[in-house]
Amino acid sequence: QKEVEQDPGPLSVPEGAIVSLNCTYSNSAFQYFMWYRQYSRKGPELLMYTYSSGNKEDGRFTAQVDKSSKYISLFIRDSQPSDSATYLCAFNTDKLIFGTGTRLQVFP
Amino acid sequence: GAVVSQHPSRVICKSGTSVKIECRSLDFQATTMFWYRQFPKQSLMLMATSNEGSKATYEQGVEKDKFLINHASLTLSTLTVTSAHPEDSSFYICSAGDRVIYGYTFGSGTRLTVV
Repeated sequence: QKEVEQDPGPLSVPEGAIVSLNCTYSNSAFQYFMWYRQYSRKGPELLMYTYSSGNKEDGRFTAQVDKSSKYISLFIRDSQPSDSATYLCAFNTDKLIFGTGTRLQVFP
Repeated sequence: GAVVSQHPSRVICKSGTSVKIECRSLDFQATTMFWYRQFPKQSLMLMATSNEGSKATYEQGVEKDKFLINHASLTLSTLTVTSAHPEDSSFYICSAGDRVIYGYTFGSGTRLTVV
């Protein structure tokens, strides 16, 4: 079993849609859960991080963690074409473990 | 916020030559920096962890003699790809930070093409 699994997509949605991005993990030692956004040919940028089960909101973005199921999600409300990017989940040990990334395209 | 500057953003070199990539933390001191490699449409693969003042820790399967890492100061780490070959062509990204709980800041990446 892979340590982190993430659906690679691509995911194509119309502008204004609600997007759900998901990752599962197997390592119970993970304490911090992060989502990064990566535009083409750029380095990833941190979107959100959290360390407890439950929801965390930041504008149009909501990060959800379910430690009992080892499942994390990122929801994007009112998606915009500028949200088109690859989204990577990431988990910590003494370094970051990344998912494979989900490519998202939001079309006008 | 924290800024990590990476240079060059793009480099083309001839097979057999060496290329140096710089990663600088501009407004904070980074005791640890990480070097990643990313192939098209794939995730980031950690190559090595660079610690200021000590030897880098390489991930399994990464040739330390080929990918030389130097972290001589708290704001600068360099990755040198020695005797580059076409299969070394890739997107290399560094990241830096003091505490993983805040998430590390990434550089903008370097696209290396070996011809």
